[in-house]
Amino acid sequence: GENVEQHPSTLSVQEGDSAVIKCTYSDSASNYFPWYKQELGKGPQLIIDIRSNVGEKKDQRIAVTLNKTAKHFSLHITETQPEDSAVYFCAASNENSGGSNYKLTFGKGTLLTVNP
Amino acid sequence: NAGVMQNPRHLVRRRGQEARLRCSPMKGHSHVYWYRQLPEEGLKFMVYLQKENIIDESGMPKERFSAEFPKEGPSILRIQQVVRGDSAAYFCASSPASSTDTQYFGPGTRLTVL
Repeated sequence: GENVEQHPSTLSVQEGDSAVIKCTYSDSASNYFPWYKQELGKGPQLIIDIRSNVGEKKDQRIAVTLNKTAKHFSLHITETQPEDSAVYFCAASNENSGGSNYKLTFGKGTLLTVNP
Repeated sequence: NAGVMQNPRHLVRRRGQEARLRCSPMKGHSHVYWYRQLPEEGLKFMVYLQKENIIDESGMPKERFSAEFPKEGPSILRIQQVVRGDSAAYFCASSPASSTDTQYFGPGTRLTVL
């Protein structure tokens, strides 16, 4: 089955700096890669996702890049703000896996702290 | 449009008791997924249900765990004879009309087994 590795496990940046979180996956058939933000005591919230037919996607201060050859994808947050502080999870699934595309495999998470 | 609702938010049980976790999907969503999150771990898929049907329960332990999504009412994740290792956060997600749609997560139920 799929295995997703996420690094770093913790990341501390100064307000205004950029933050980068990286994930690698093992199943070359995976083609859907969402990123979730989880604040303390809350459920994960989807912030951005990318499918394998594109290499990069951007939404305001958040961008995701995908390298299918190397089987890794990254989350980039620019101009970080204290409210960006949370745990971020990457995930992967295969939308063409005979109906089992719903099985999101998550990384272990990155605790991002943005210091004012 | 209310999001995914889960209750209770916190549940404490003693070893051997039963735990019932409820999930009401977003309005108009007919697909429900349950995930378990152990401390400092990512979420692990447990089960996928549609109304009155279990589609995939491959991530759920074979014993003591069961799930349902009746025609009326919320989805229920039931854990019988709980053990300390069942202590975790249990998250429910829902998606609209297709399993390829984005999954929206609820706030979770944090189960503590004493």
